[in-house]
Amino acid sequence: DAGVTQSPTHLIKTRGQQVTLRCSPKSGHDTVSWYQQALGQGPQFIFQYYEEEERQRGNFPDRFSGHQFPNYSSELNVNALLLGDSALYLCASSSRRISSYNSPLHFGNGTRLTVT
Amino acid sequence: AQTVTQSQPEMSVQEAETVTLSCTYDTSENNYYLFWYKQPPSRQMILVIRQEAYKQQNATENRFSVNFQKAAKSFSLKISDSQLGDTAMYFCAFMKPYNNNDMRFGAGTRLTVKP
Repeated sequence: DAGVTQSPTHLIKTRGQQVTLRCSPKSGHDTVSWYQQALGQGPQFIFQYYEEEERQRGNFPDRFSGHQFPNYSSELNVNALLLGDSALYLCASSSRRISSYNSPLHFGNGTRLTVT
Repeated sequence: AQTVTQSQPEMSVQEAETVTLSCTYDTSENNYYLFWYKQPPSRQMILVIRQEAYKQQNATENRFSVNFQKAAKSFSLKISDSQLGDTAMYFCAFMKPYNNNDMRFGAGTRLTVKP
């Protein structure tokens, strides 16, 4: 049973560029959430996707956008990269059919993004 | 807004001993969920234990248990018989029910288990 998979593992970009990160949820899960974890901090919620729509968004600018595909996989896009966007980006999946307590988040290993 | 505070940036414990990690949170909600996640060097966040606020009984998962004090808004994690594999960052997290997985994390406690 495959867990949450993210690609790529590491990425280096230059300020002003755009980046796309990818996530495949755990088998049986239909909801994907994205988190940003800056160095030395806890993860911060970016947004959640369910049924191919953004359902909730954290305090992140419009430069952060996403997409969910019919197979439940998801992409996180960040435009006009800033140095402060350097972080570990975590994808987490869950099942909408089960309460968030009984279907807690399953996280991937993350994508380490470095902006130079 | 809900905030989660972990006041111990780093802690260490000898193998086989017991350690307690602290967590406090701020909320005006009456029902909510609390979690402890572990993040080893592999970077994957792994669920350790969870607690529903309306359940007074403290959750227990093998060597891991919590002390949930709702009035004090405190949710500490006790690790008994510490093992080398417990070395990791530990994050306390808060979430409202049906809140679309908007989970609020503390800044984490780095735990080192020494042989």
